Amino acid sequence: QVQLQESGPGLVKPSETLSLTCTVSGDSVSSGAYYWSWVRQPPGKELEHLGYIYHSGSTNYNPSLYSRITMSVDTSKNQFSLRLKSVTSADTAVYFCAGIIASADLKRGYFRYWGQGTPLTVSS
Amino acid sequence: SYELSQPPSVSVSPGQTASVTCSADKLGYTYVCWYQQKSGQSPVLVIYQDNKRPSGIPERFSGSNSGNTATLTISGTQAVDEADYYCQAWDGSNYVFGTGTRVTVL
Repeated sequence: QVQLQESGPGLVKPSETLSLTCTVSGDSVSSGAYYWSWVRQPPGKELEHLGYIYHSGSTNYNPSLYSRITMSVDTSKNQFSLRLKSVTSADTAVYFCAGIIASADLKRGYFRYWGQGTPLTVSS
Repeated sequence: SYELSQPPSVSVSPGQTASVTCSADKLGYTYVCWYQQKSGQSPVLVIYQDNKRPSGIPERFSGSNSGNTATLTISGTQAVDEADYYCQAWDGSNYVFGTGTRVTVL
């Protein structure tokens, strides 16, 4: 059973860079079994997939965030991370990390494991 | 961008069948998953690849996908099934979630 735990600052000022980390237990981030993903949910709104990273370092980002988003993997700590620059109030949300079951056929992928979520507020 | 449309709400009496739809152009050409999210909690996968149930998910949850519409069916709905439900699919370049449906058990 894979377990995921997000960590982050809780509050970020407008125009600054958001950094979140997800610690994985129960499997290795290098196993190749998962695409490691970030999903967010603004208050009272639907889920939005931000992107994913594979253990090789290859990434796939939501086109709406392409110029602001970076994901990385730290195999030594069994973690993966999200950086989102130039944040605004529209980035206020609960951020979830998740493990997508990896498949060569991406349309078969599904979000099997989720973290509990970490709230992030953008405010001065 | 690819949009997955769901009805905002569905109401069902205990023991009855609830159907939640997810609509998009040519949705039947891809796979659809469904997630249950209770208030203040993270989503839980209840159906993947159109109609498969993960271990631990009750048999009353089932799914189908054809044409432009995917459907999550909850048979014999129980009070514990009251939650928000989201569909999800791959749009060719990104994973996309639906607008969400609140299922209320009256």
